Amino acid sequence: AQKITQTQPGMFVQEKEAVTLDCTYDTSDPSYGLFWYKQPSSGEMIFLIYQGSYDQQNATEGRYSLNFQKARKSANLVISASQLGDSAMYFCAMNGNQFYFGTGTSLTVIP
Amino acid sequence: DAGITQSPRHKVTETGTPVTLRCHQTENHRYMYWYRQDPGHGLRLIHYSYGVKDTDKGEVSDGYSVSRSKTEDFLLTLESATSSQTSVYFCASIAPAGTGVYEQYFGPGTRLTVT
Repeated sequence: AQKITQTQPGMFVQEKEAVTLDCTYDTSDPSYGLFWYKQPSSGEMIFLIYQGSYDQQNATEGRYSLNFQKARKSANLVISASQLGDSAMYFCAMNGNQFYFGTGTSLTVIP
Repeated sequence: DAGITQSPRHKVTETGTPVTLRCHQTENHRYMYWYRQDPGHGLRLIHYSYGVKDTDKGEVSDGYSVSRSKTEDFLLTLESATSSQTSVYFCASIAPAGTGVYEQYFGPGTRLTVT
C-alpha cells in the first residue's frame, strides 16, 4: 500500500522567513511522482511543484523547492521568503498506481 | 489553468436519492480523477479514468460509480446517497508539463450535503 504522512498539523512562520513543510511517503513502486498543493481558505486546490522519483535534482518553482531525499522517502516543501498570502493548507501527494494525499499542514504566516 | 469545471457547485439532497456530479475539462487530458475531501482525511481518491470508457476504483469507491463516454467529461454517481457521503468533491486531471514532469489540475469543487 502507498501512504503519505504529514506530521505537522499546523505551522507558523514569520513573514519573509523560510519554512519547511514535512512529507514522508511509503511505496514499493520504483517509479512515482510527488506533488505539493496549496489550498487557501477559498477552497481551490493549486498545484505548486512536482518531483519525479528518477529526477536527480530537486525541483524548484519560484519560491517553492522540494527537498527530495529518496533514501529517507521524504519530500519536504521549502517556501522561501514567506508572504502573508502563503497562509493556507498544504498537501503532499504521491502518484504511483493511484493518487494518495496526506492530511495536510496548515501554514500561518505572521506579519 | 486547465479549464476544469464542475457542476453543480453546491447540492443538497436527501438520503437514498441518486446524485450525479459532472466534471468537464477542455484540455484533452487523458487522466481524470474524482476525490472527496473530509476534515482529518485530506483528499481521498474515489475513482479515476485513464481514457474513454477506462476507469478504475480508488481508495474509497464503495457507493460510487463513474462513467467517461467522452474525453472531456467524467461523471461521478452516488447510487443511493447516504449522510456519510456529505463532503466536498473535487475533480482533477493530469497532464505532462515537460519531460518526466506532470501537473495535476483541480476543479473548483462541489459541496454535497446529504440530509
